[in-house]
Amino acid sequence: AQSVTQLDSHVSVSEGTPVLLRCNYSSSYSPSLFWYVQHPNKGLQLLLKYTSAATLVKGINGFEAEFKKSETSFHLTKPSAHMSDAAEYFCVVTARGTGNQFYFGTGTSLTVIP
Amino acid sequence: GAGVSQSPSNKVTEKGKDVELRCDPISGHTALYWYRQSLGQGLEFLIYFQGNSAPDKSGLPSDRFSAERTGGSVSTLTIQRTQQEDSAVYLCASSLGGGSTDTQYFGPGTRLTVL
Repeated sequence: AQSVTQLDSHVSVSEGTPVLLRCNYSSSYSPSLFWYVQHPNKGLQLLLKYTSAATLVKGINGFEAEFKKSETSFHLTKPSAHMSDAAEYFCVVTARGTGNQFYFGTGTSLTVIP
Repeated sequence: GAGVSQSPSNKVTEKGKDVELRCDPISGHTALYWYRQSLGQGLEFLIYFQGNSAPDKSGLPSDRFSAERTGGSVSTLTIQRTQQEDSAVYLCASSLGGGSTDTQYFGPGTRLTVL
């Protein structure tokens, strides 16, 4: 079975400080992992994805994530938060042989304090 | 280029009525997915179409829900005899090949409110 757990439902950081959004996954197969962002009243936008190539994945807007198989984690980080980063973030797992449907975490709401 | 589009953007209906939600995927994408985003429930998979294969309906919550994909392109999600618990944002996504490593591109969603 495939699932993801986003460990924090809300994260609040000051502008210019680092961002860490935590995600742990469970998968019976070699997983593909994604992070999506959803700004208020906007659609889901892909930030980055891991598909069994490099374990450190760089995405848009300065975000990156590291796949750690031993820890079953795929945490999202950014060195310096911007006000525009305030949004809902979703960690997603999928795997070959599971119908290729996405299994979403429950989301982490990021607040950036000026 | 054009992304995934959905219509209507908002739909308000009365309990017991039928509704149809439409999705236009990105041109050339063979895979199409429907998801539902509910408050307190997160995002849940509903149904998956891949080319001409039989759809994966494993996520449909009841037999009141059905979906079609005509000509391998446009899809319609139909909810019959709507209930208040059907209120949610219904999201459509498409991907190029439907593989597990393929990025899914999401539409803006249809917000359904059942009174």
